[in-house]
Amino acid sequence: DAKTTQPPSMDCAEGRAANLPCNHSTISGNEYVYWYRQIHSQGPQYIIHGLKNNETNEMASLIITEDRKSSTLILPHATLRDTAVYYCIVFYLDMRFGAGTRLTVKP
Amino acid sequence: GAVVSQHPSRVICKSGTSVKIECRSLDFQATTMFWYRQFPKQSLMLMATSNEGSKATYEQGVEKDKFLINHASLTLSTLTVTSAHPEDSSFYICSAGPGQGADTQYFGPGTRLTVL
Repeated sequence: DAKTTQPPSMDCAEGRAANLPCNHSTISGNEYVYWYRQIHSQGPQYIIHGLKNNETNEMASLIITEDRKSSTLILPHATLRDTAVYYCIVFYLDMRFGAGTRLTVKP
Repeated sequence: GAVVSQHPSRVICKSGTSVKIECRSLDFQATTMFWYRQFPKQSLMLMATSNEGSKATYEQGVEKDKFLINHASLTLSTLTVTSAHPEDSSFYICSAGPGQGADTQYFGPGTRLTVL
């Protein structure tokens, strides 16, 4: 079973920041937090990952709370092409997907 | 970099036949590969974990004699659906990663299997 909880859906206005939360209260010390997204009928796309520290790359930022029990993925300037299902995964030995959050970016 | 391919992208077969799906890491050696299936409007379900040089580890409820996984080399894993039935119709996705443990997994584009 997935070890994460995410809201089923969110909307975001185009050009605004999209903040996607994830709870992973049972995360173990060696498990990383990974974020992927899936656009309809395609394989998941890697976005970002982290262990303890906040991370930023060209796609997004990842904020992990100090106790590591939750995290937030931030898309700084959402575009219509960011509409997708976003999955938060805690990963060490196997990668299990929860239900994810369906993000809809609206004009 | 970090490209994973799958072949075929879609396949239609008759009930009772076997279908082989290939997963290749194109620009890295994949120590660990995962196989998933995804039914419409559902999330990805992990079927098995494959580590090069050892037998695949199947998830509970996944029949290892029906879904044969062979991690043939560090760049190729195959999933063979044997004696396919209509209920096996699904979207099959593989992932591959260059390291062990929590190293990043990269996903293939998926294979749409339809069993008539």
